[in-house]
This record gives sequence, structure tokens and C-alpha cells, in this order.
Amino acid sequence: DTGVSQDPRHKITKRGQNVTFRCDPISEHNRLYWYRQTLGQGPEFLTYFQNEAQLEKSRLLSDRFSAERPKGSFSTLEIQRTEQGDSAMYLCASSSSGRGYEQYFGPGTRLTVT
Amino acid sequence: AQSVTQLGSHVSVSEGALVLLRCNYSSSVPPYLFWYVQYPNQGLQLLLKYTTGATLVKGINGFEAEFKKSETSFHLTKPSAHMSDAAEYFCAVRLGGSQGNLIFGKGTKLSVKP
Repeated sequence: DTGVSQDPRHKITKRGQNVTFRCDPISEHNRLYWYRQTLGQGPEFLTYFQNEAQLEKSRLLSDRFSAERPKGSFSTLEIQRTEQGDSAMYLCASSSSGRGYEQYFGPGTRLTVT
Repeated sequence: AQSVTQLGSHVSVSEGALVLLRCNYSSSVPPYLFWYVQYPNQGLQLLLKYTTGATLVKGINGFEAEFKKSETSFHLTKPSAHMSDAAEYFCAVRLGGSQGNLIFGKGTKLSVKP
């Protein structure tokens, strides 16, 4: 059990650029969640996958946000045409239905849009 | 709809003193409740969880929490604070049904004075 990993840990981009973040869940976990955390707030749910199926995406913040999990393993979160308001920590978590609904979080990717 | 309220955005205690972090929830279904800790620039680490059964739940690092249905509370306590407990603490309720994403409170930052 190597834990959830996220890459990159930090990303600085200029407004209008596209960015993509990667999340590698714990290997046997079939569920993967994306959250966003802004300063002084708790994490806010964005979307989740069960295996490769994206079962909830209505909470994605706008149509500039999209996520994939093509083979049911790693996932990517893309933000197109970034805005300064997108600056936040993006957290990934994974879980297995056999582990009491515990979600294990990665270290996060901190995005700064200048 | 589920929601979480954490009373006190900042709590300061002396080393060796009791830690009490307050969490109240709102849920239309029997809740699954969690406490997570976040150290600076890191992801969230699960401290403890309540799903069913015993209402007093013990977690890591000497923390425990009691589920009180009548008070809709899930306060986190530790008998004796240590300097290493300084961090931000988040209470969360799991959304019911198969979706399972977490709804977080805004967090309480714990400071420990020597």
C-alpha cells in the first residue's frame, strides 16, 4: 500500500493556459474522487469514478473542468483556459467499498494562476 | 441535505491540556462521520470514523470522538495536547447512497502553546 500519489505537487500557470493533474490511487481501490480546497475552506467535492465510469460530474465547477479515468486506474483532471479563481489545492482520494467507506487522500496539487 | 458545522475556526490550547474540537452535522439519513487532520501543504489523513455500532470511536494519535445522535454532534477530543497536534482538523459526513463523497466542514486550526 503505497498511498495515493498526485503529480505535480505544485503548478504555476498563466491565466488562459490549460493544466492537467494526475492522480494514482491505491492499487486495489475502485473508487476515485476529486476535491478542490481553497484557502480557509474544507475540501469541496468535484467528481468521482467507480472503476472507469464517471458517475457524478454535475459538481464540476464549470465546463472548463473535465476528468478522466481511462482504464480504471489513474485519473486526470484538466482545467482549460485557467482563471485566477481556479487557484486552489486539488485533492484526489480513493476508496474501496470493502474498507468501510474510508477515503484516502493524496498530498494534493497546488495550482497558482497568475 | 447533509452539512457539517465546525464551531471555532481557531482553537488554542496549552501543551498537556484537553483538546476539544466541535462538530455538528445535519443529515437526513443515518450519518457516517469522519475526522481528518491536515498538516501544512499536505493532504488529509483520516483520524477516525463512525459508521455504525459503538458511539465512542477511538482513532490514531490518542484522539477519540463520540457520536451523539440527540445532539447531532461528533466532537473530537484528546486528553492531553502535544505540540505535534498543531494542524487543521476537518469534520466530514459521507453523502448517503452509492455516491459516497464527503461533505466537509470549514475546518478548525489547532494551535498548541508550549
